[in-house]
Amino acid sequence: AQTVTQSQPEMSVQEAETVTLSCTYDTSESDYYLFWYKQPPSRQMILVIRQEAYKQQNATENRFSVNFQKAAKSFSLKISDSQLGDAAMYFCAYRSAWGAQKLVFGQGTRLTINP
Amino acid sequence: DAMVIQNPRYQVTQFGKPVTLSCSQTLNHNVMYWYQQKSSQAPKLLFHYYDKDFNNEADTPDNFQSRRPNTSFCFLDIRSPGLGDAAMYLCATSLDTNSNQPQHFGDGTRLSIL
Repeated sequence: AQTVTQSQPEMSVQEAETVTLSCTYDTSESDYYLFWYKQPPSRQMILVIRQEAYKQQNATENRFSVNFQKAAKSFSLKISDSQLGDAAMYFCAYRSAWGAQKLVFGQGTRLTINP
Repeated sequence: DAMVIQNPRYQVTQFGKPVTLSCSQTLNHNVMYWYQQKSSQAPKLLFHYYDKDFNNEADTPDNFQSRRPNTSFCFLDIRSPGLGDAAMYLCATSLDTNSNQPQHFGDGTRLSIL
C-alpha cells in the first residue's frame, strides 16, 4: 500500500518570503500522480498543483512550484512571495495511475503567514 | 458557482440515531467520492462510485453506506453513529478514472455526535 508522509505539522513564514513544504511517499509503482491540495479554515479543499510521475520537468503554477525527485520519492512544494491568503492546511496526495482511483493523503502541514 | 455542494454544512445527531449526509454536483462527473476527515488528520477514503458501480474501501466500517440515485446526487448513510464517527465528511468528484483528472471537493459536512 502507498503511504504519504509530511514531516512538518506546522510551518510559518513572513509575508512575501519563500517557504518549502516537504512530502515523501512510498510506492512500488512506476506510474502515478502527485498533488498538493490547500484547505483553508472552514473552506473547501482546492487543488494547488499536480505532477505526473512520468514527467521529469517540475510543475509550476504561478507562485507555486514543486521539486519532484522520483528516485528519492520526494515531492516538495515551494511557495514564493507568500501572501496572507496562502494560510491554510496543505496536503500532499498520491494517486495511482491504475486500478483504484483514491487519493492517499499525507497528514498535512499547517502554514501560517506572518504579516 | 458552487460545483460540489454538500448539505448540511453542520449536522448534529444523537448516538445511535441514523443520519444521512448529502452531496450534489453540477459538473456531470462520473466519479463521486466520500472521505472522512477527523480532527487534525488527513482525509481517508470511505468509498466511491464510478457511475453506478460502488467501490468500498476494505477498512470502511459496515456502519457506513452510500447511495447514488443519479449522476448528480450521492448520499452517505451512517446507520448507528458512534462517538468515533464525529468528523468532517468530504464529498469529491472527478470526471472519470483518468488519474490525471483532479478531484473537486465540496465544503464538507461537519458531523457531531451527542
